[in-house]
Amino acid sequence: DQQVKQNSPSLSVQEGRISILNCDYTNSMFDYFLWYKKYPAEGPTFLISISSIKDKNEDGRFTVFLNKSAKHLSLHIVPSQPGDSAVYFCAASARGGYSTLTFGKGTMLLVSP
Amino acid sequence: DGGITQSPKYLFRKEGQNVTLSCEQNLNHDAMYWYRQDPGQGLRLIYYSQIVNDFQKGDIAEGYSVSREKKESFPLTVTSAQKNPTAFYLCASSIVGGTNSPLHFGNGTRLTVT
Repeated sequence: DQQVKQNSPSLSVQEGRISILNCDYTNSMFDYFLWYKKYPAEGPTFLISISSIKDKNEDGRFTVFLNKSAKHLSLHIVPSQPGDSAVYFCAASARGGYSTLTFGKGTMLLVSP
Repeated sequence: DGGITQSPKYLFRKEGQNVTLSCEQNLNHDAMYWYRQDPGQGLRLIYYSQIVNDFQKGDIAEGYSVSREKKESFPLTVTSAQKNPTAFYLCASSIVGGTNSPLHFGNGTRLTVT
């Protein structure tokens, strides 16, 4: 049973436009959410996180939005750059981040020039 | 530079052989983790350890074993009991107990068993 779902396996966006990656979760105990970015044959790198006490967190071109009532979060990348092309994983944990992470299956983002 | 080192990057074994994947970190993190990634799948937790000489099973621990004799090292053994061992294996570490302690990952070991 998937507790963290990324329903879009891939997304294509033109350079300069906005990329929106979506993530849904089913476990109401999750209260800490993270996005990781992964290039082929490398380990994921942490991108941005959000606690359930917030509904938005921003870091440069990356913004994560959390809608607790819908159990939905999204990652916005503005403007998108070709170097952003990678697989993006959504992850969630409970107990304020003290529990282990549950990952989604990932969305492959392709940003074309 | 602090980080996590996984070696080797590629590993080939014959079916029926046990194989040990190395993971070393110099970040002084207390917690270490092993994940497995298969094509089209998310990262699935195999084992994790929050302190030396202690570790817990993750979601898919069957056919794997670990040890944590030193803080900086967390080797994973893929045993012959693991039915589908071919995968990309990722080691990670984090500061235990923080709400702002994301995982730091190594660059992975791709294991192929034939």
